[in-house]
Amino acid sequence: EAQVTQNPRYLITVTGKKLTVTCSQNMNHEYMSWYRQDPGLGLRQIYYSMNVEVTDKGDVPEGYKVSRKEKRNFPLILESPSPNQTSLYFCASSWTGFDQPQHFGDGTRLSIL
Amino acid sequence: QKEVEQNSGPLSVPEGAIASLNCTYSDRVSQSFFWYRQYSGKSPELIMSIYSNGDKEDGRFTAQLNKASQYVSLLIRDSQPSDSATYLCAGGDTGFQKLVFGTGTRLLVSP
Repeated sequence: EAQVTQNPRYLITVTGKKLTVTCSQNMNHEYMSWYRQDPGLGLRQIYYSMNVEVTDKGDVPEGYKVSRKEKRNFPLILESPSPNQTSLYFCASSWTGFDQPQHFGDGTRLSIL
Repeated sequence: QKEVEQNSGPLSVPEGAIASLNCTYSDRVSQSFFWYRQYSGKSPELIMSIYSNGDKEDGRFTAQLNKASQYVSLLIRDSQPSDSATYLCAGGDTGFQKLVFGTGTRLLVSP
């Protein structure tokens, strides 16, 4: 089954404790991205990757890191999480770019205390 | 002006009626428009994509794009209670090479 898999689905943690949210897709997509979704603000892009070893900032990259060492994986790293990063996070992928239908993962709900 | 704007709703329609959802966009958003459906706490799910002026139909759904007036709409015929969800409009920002989402319109279909 074609899918984008995120882990964990839920996480409650404390300020400053490094965490990684994994994202993996099995569709051989080149384009992957991370979004956060907050009430009233909609989906905002954090980072995106056009292909392996190619990443770039989205609208709200501060406090986040990403890497793309393999085509299928695109982890999101919060090195020193803060309460304002409490949000619902989605990973998405598409064949080659932003202008194509995006396939979303199930989401990760992060709470930073 | 926001890049992609939607009325937050809720839009309430009775079962069997046509639901009409609208979205306007700025000059920076100029290609590749999408409608996603999102149930509460779930991920966005693609409903329709439209790339050129005019109508595109898929089952009970019709997307309409009018580039001159800078709006895109989604019509849902024979609305069902299971259509109750938030509908996200998205468009491609070719300048910044990104997909921009509206904040969504909540649709409520009453039995």
